[in-house]
Formats: sequence, structure tokens, C-alpha cells
Amino acid sequence: AQSVTQPDIHITVSEGASLELRCNYSYGATPYLFWYVQSPGQGLQLLLKYFSGDTLVQGIKGFEAEFKRSQSSFNLRKPSVHWSDAAEYFCAVVSTGANNLFFGTGTRLTVIP
Amino acid sequence: KAGVTQTPRYLIKTRGQQVTLSCSPISGHRSVSWYQQTPGQGLQFLFEYFSETQRNKGNFPGRFSGRQFSNSRSEMNVSTLELGDSALYLCASSLDGTENTEAFFGQGTRLTVV
Repeated sequence: AQSVTQPDIHITVSEGASLELRCNYSYGATPYLFWYVQSPGQGLQLLLKYFSGDTLVQGIKGFEAEFKRSQSSFNLRKPSVHWSDAAEYFCAVVSTGANNLFFGTGTRLTVIP
Repeated sequence: KAGVTQTPRYLIKTRGQQVTLSCSPISGHRSVSWYQQTPGQGLQFLFEYFSETQRNKGNFPGRFSGRQFSNSRSEMNVSTLELGDSALYLCASSLDGTENTEAFFGQGTRLTVV
């Protein structure tokens, strides 16, 4: 069965610093991978997605993610964090032929001035 | 265009009662999925509806049910509420619910069971 692991529950970075949020997945075939962001009291917004092709995916708000099959990882990166990036970030997978998302437990990002 | 609309935003219910939550998808979207978000269990898939038919269901008890209307609007119902049902319930809509179509989420309904 598919699963998603986000090893970091909480990360604190300084504004302007770079960011990397980790995501590992477990799935037999090539999965469809997503990163979502959730601000307090809000729903989820899609940052980026990977279906196939180029393993480096660009998303909104300056985020990117790299799919590494050998490591079963799909880490989210941003070169320079802004205070408005403070939120919770979820990695998710959907298996081929299915239509429901399996989410990781999330990583809460705090940005300090 | 308007996004996914969930009503109400907040609800307080008593144990044993039942509750109905509503979700209006983005115009043209025919797939609606429901998720439960709690601090302990995270985000969990409840069920998905497409063209008024439940296509997929998560691992939740039968107290959780849903339906979809001909205009794609969806409702979910929870009967005999338990304290553990307190959660943020999120609805997501997509064009056809396939794995390569984007799901758009509503802001959720915060249910508190007392």
C-alpha cells in the first residue's frame, strides 16, 4: 500500500534562508506526487505536482521539488523564504488508477525575522 | 471563477446528534472528495463522488455517509456523533477525479463535538 512520510514535524528558518522539506513515499510503481500548503484555518492549496517527465518540478510561490526514484523522495525546496511562507506543508501521493490522495503528516514551517 | 464552497464554516454539536455538511464544487467539476483532518490522524480520505455515484471510500465507519446531487454539489452526513469526530472536514473538487487532474480544496468545516 502507498504511504507518505514527512520526517520533520516542525522546521524553523530565518527569513531569506533556503528551505528544504523532506518527503519519502512508498509505492510500487511511479506515483503521482503533490505538495500542498495550508495556512491556519484554511484549506489546502496545491504548490506543485509530479506526474512524469522532468524530475525537477517548478511550482507557485517560487517553490520547486525534485523527484528521486532511487531515494523514493520528493523534497520541496525554496531558495529564499519569505515570512508569508509560514504554514503547514503536506506531501501527498495518489496511486495510478485511483483518485484519492494519501497525505503525509505535514511539516509546520515557522519563519523568523 | 468561484472556488470550492463549504458550509457551514463552523459547527458545534452534541454527542449522539447527527450533522450534515455541504460542499459546492467549482463550476464544471464533477468529482467531489471529502477528507477528515485531525491533529492525531492527519488528513484522511473519506469518500469520493462522481456523477452522483460513490466511486471510492476510505476506512471510516458507516456513520459517515455522503451523496452527490445532479448539479455536483455534495453533502456528507455523520450520524451518532462521537467526541472523536471533532475535526476539520475538507472537500475537494476536480474535473473528473482522475489521478492527473488537480484537486481544489475548500476552506473546510470545523466540527466540534461536545
